[in-house]
Amino acid sequence: GAVVSQHPSWVICKSGTSVKIECRSLDFQATTMFWYRQFPKQSLMLMATSNEGSKATYEQGVEKDKFLINHASLTLSTLTVTSAHPEDSSFYICSARGTPYSPLHFGNGTRLTVT
Amino acid sequence: GENVEQHPSTLSVQEGDSAVIKCTYSDSASNYFPWYKQELGKRPQLIIDIRSNVGEKKDQRIAVTLNKTAKHFSLHITETQPEDSAVYFCAAEGNQFYFGTGTSLTVIP
Repeated sequence: GAVVSQHPSWVICKSGTSVKIECRSLDFQATTMFWYRQFPKQSLMLMATSNEGSKATYEQGVEKDKFLINHASLTLSTLTVTSAHPEDSSFYICSARGTPYSPLHFGNGTRLTVT
Repeated sequence: GENVEQHPSTLSVQEGDSAVIKCTYSDSASNYFPWYKQELGKRPQLIIDIRSNVGEKKDQRIAVTLNKTAKHFSLHITETQPEDSAVYFCAAEGNQFYFGTGTSLTVIP
């Protein structure tokens, strides 16, 4: 089946630094990738939708200058958390798919801890 | 935009009993409705999905029903087993793709 690889699986960084998270579709071309943030025991909060070759569409309340998303190829999207602060600590998870109205395939997620 | 509501937020059932989780959506353009299961610390996994031209779909112990007129859809798990314990998310896609708030299911042995 379709595989989505997300790296790193966990990262600890100091406040004020930037962190890049990669999401790769390994065996299919992902025309659309989604980035979510998930708090403990809560649902997946959509942050942004990323289409290959175009700018990401951010959800209301998500700072696009803080959460930089790049979808440069059909197999790779990156999320960069810039100038991270402790309140950015969370579980970030990506998903990808090839066509609309088809199942999403999720990465394993990244646990970010900002100290 | 779309608003997907999911109930209940927590559900406990005895092993062997059935579990039902319900979702409602607001966007009449929504036509794809998947259900995901997320075990603790793991990625969500698709367990079943249904499209708007179908009213019901079944896969072994799991079934999903869709009522487009009322804009609600439900997940039914029969003969529950302890390994069914997880968080379940519904989702709806029309112009956008949104998840419900999740249901934490506990199956008591």
